[in-house]
Amino acid sequence: AQKITQTQPGMFVQEKEAVTLDCTYDTSDPSYGLFWYKQPSSGEMIFLIYQGSYDQQNATEGRYSLNFQKARKSANLVISASQLGDSAMYFCAMRGGYNFGNEKLTFGTGTRLTIIP
Amino acid sequence: DGGITQSPKYLFRKEGQNVTLSCEQNLNHDAMYWYRQDPGQGLRLIYYSQIVNDFQKGDIAEGYSVSREKKESFPLTVTSAQKNPTAFYLCASSIDLASGSGTGELFFGEGSRLTVL
Repeated sequence: AQKITQTQPGMFVQEKEAVTLDCTYDTSDPSYGLFWYKQPSSGEMIFLIYQGSYDQQNATEGRYSLNFQKARKSANLVISASQLGDSAMYFCAMRGGYNFGNEKLTFGTGTRLTIIP
Repeated sequence: DGGITQSPKYLFRKEGQNVTLSCEQNLNHDAMYWYRQDPGQGLRLIYYSQIVNDFQKGDIAEGYSVSREKKESFPLTVTSAQKNPTAFYLCASSIDLASGSGTGELFFGEGSRLTVL
């Protein structure tokens, strides 16, 4: 079974500072994928970034980067130069390897990020 | 534009009534999912379907039913047997991982908020 743990229910960060959202995971699959989603107050789920378990480099997408530490089973999201529009819920999620039937994602409980002007 | 359409956005139900939430996608994805979101609990998988005319129970399937008669459509029925149906419901779709392409990210609809009176 797969499990995602997000230990920060809420965070407050000053605008323009960098922020790290923690995520640890547990799985027995040798191959897996890790995702981060953003959920604004409107409720939509916005895909931010993906990291494959065999990827050698940490994933980056604009101001988002994923600090992937495989041995520690950690996949923290780093947002650089935070903006007011970054205020939202953030979810870490994972799936199994590239096999039929592994498409479903397991989600963590989320972190509510609030950016302070 | 390609995407996932959920309806209705808001729904009120009296206790003892069944309700059906609609989910339609035009992304040509094989896999579709229903998740439930409660405050502070993240997203929990209700049902998922990888191909037409087949679906699997997720972690919290009791009190729910689904059908997958067409690739584009995956309606969810919340039955009177669901003890606490008030929640935010999210439908999603993804490619078939066995194709070996893409990350397997889920594409989400905007959600349906169900309130039981």
